[in-house]
Amino acid sequence: GAVVSQHPSRVICKSGTSVKIECRSLDFQATTMFWYRQFPKQSLMLMATSNEGSKATYEQGVEKDKFLINHASLTLSTLTVTSAHPEDSSFYICSARKTDVDEQYFGPGTRLTVT
Amino acid sequence: AQKITQTQPGMFVQEKEAVTLDCTYDTSDPSYGLFWYKQPSSGEMIFLIYQGSYDQQNATEGRYSLNFQKARKSANLVISASQLGDSAMYFCAMREEETSYDKVIFGPGTSLSVIP
Repeated sequence: GAVVSQHPSRVICKSGTSVKIECRSLDFQATTMFWYRQFPKQSLMLMATSNEGSKATYEQGVEKDKFLINHASLTLSTLTVTSAHPEDSSFYICSARKTDVDEQYFGPGTRLTVT
Repeated sequence: AQKITQTQPGMFVQEKEAVTLDCTYDTSDPSYGLFWYKQPSSGEMIFLIYQGSYDQQNATEGRYSLNFQKARKSANLVISASQLGDSAMYFCAMREEETSYDKVIFGPGTSLSVIP
């Protein structure tokens, strides 16, 4: 199979601090990973496409200086929420596509609460 | 413009009955893929079924089948013999192969409740 993990699964932080979320493909290499945000009772909204070895591509309306994405290796992408505010509280999910496979594999998600 | 439309915010179905969840999409890309995912209350996204735009036959996976009508741009999910564990949010999603660099975009979702 293809497994994507995320760490941490839950995090609570104070307003103004930064939080890093890791997304790892455990048994395959992913040149591209995707970061989504999901507010309660809403759908997944794509935030950015993370490309290994190059800058991430952000969707319209997503602040690249606030949501820093680093794709350091073929199995790891990180999302850092800088200077977090309560409105950043959300469920963050990453996904990755295995080469030549149609399915997109999702991580279990990270629930961020900013107090 | 909304690329994926799911017109049923909530659906109810009796256990053991079949249910159809609607999905319509909008794309000018000749090559695309359509997905259905299930999201239980735990939050994980569970892949159910995939249909490629060039696939001649409708996709099936166990109790899940996809009613793909290309001309109408619809990709409805049919769940047969509903089970209590099927209660969850269901999302239709699309990947445009040529124009969107593998991005998967999601519809608003349908909340399915299975009644015993």
